[in-house]
Amino acid sequence: DVKVTQSSRYLVKRTGEKVFLECVQDMDHENMFWYRQDPGLGLRLIYFSYDVKMKEKGDIPEGYSVSREKKERFSLILESASTNQTSMYLCASSLRDEGFSGNTIYFGEGSWLTVV
Amino acid sequence: AQTVTQSQPEMSVQEAETVTLSCTYDTSESDYYLFWYKQPPSRQMILVIRQEAYKQQNATENRFSVNFQKAAKSFSLKISDSQLGDAAMYFCAYRSSWENKLVFGAGTILRVKS
Repeated sequence: DVKVTQSSRYLVKRTGEKVFLECVQDMDHENMFWYRQDPGLGLRLIYFSYDVKMKEKGDIPEGYSVSREKKERFSLILESASTNQTSMYLCASSLRDEGFSGNTIYFGEGSWLTVV
Repeated sequence: AQTVTQSQPEMSVQEAETVTLSCTYDTSESDYYLFWYKQPPSRQMILVIRQEAYKQQNATENRFSVNFQKAAKSFSLKISDSQLGDAAMYFCAYRSSWENKLVFGAGTILRVKS
C-alpha cells in the first residue's frame, strides 16, 4: 500500500514563527502536493512538485514556500506564521501521468496547525 | 478555471437505506477524470470511486456507484445499504487530463443513523 506520512499531526505555533511541515512518501512517486483544508472551502492547492527541485504554485501560494530536495520528501514552509494560516494541511502524492492514465492521488493523514 | 460544486453541506441517511450525494462541475474540456473521496474523522482521505469522462458507463465499486451525466456536468454518488462506517465527509474532485492536480468541492458531511 502507498504510504504518505506527515510528521506532525498537531502543531501549535506563535505568530511570526517559521514553521516546517514535512511529508514523506514511500512509493517513488514523482508528483507531490500540499493542500489546505478549511470548512466550507474544501481543499485548496498551495503548491505542487513534479520532480526533485521542481515546484509550481497552486491556487493559494501566498505566505507559503516549499522544498523538494529528495524525491520522497516534500516540505511546506510558512516563513512567518499568521493566525489566518490556522488550518488542516494535507500532503498527497501520485505517479507522473504518462498518457491518459489518470493516476490516483494518495493523501497523508493531515497536519492540524494552530497559530496563536 | 475548473470549479466543483457540492450543494449539500450535510446529508443524513438511515442505516441500510440509500443516499445520493450531488456534485456538479464546470469545465470547457472534453477529457478529464472525476473522483469521490471519503474523509472519516481520522482525517485519512480515501479514494471511493473514479470516473473517466470518455467512458459512458457509470463506475461502480461494491455499494458505491455514480451517475455521470457529461452533458449536464453532473457527477452524483449513490451509496446503497448505508453502514455506520460510511459516516464521513465526502469530497467530489475534478482532474484535467493534462494536469495532475485535483480541484475539490466544499464537501458533504454524511451522517448515518442507526
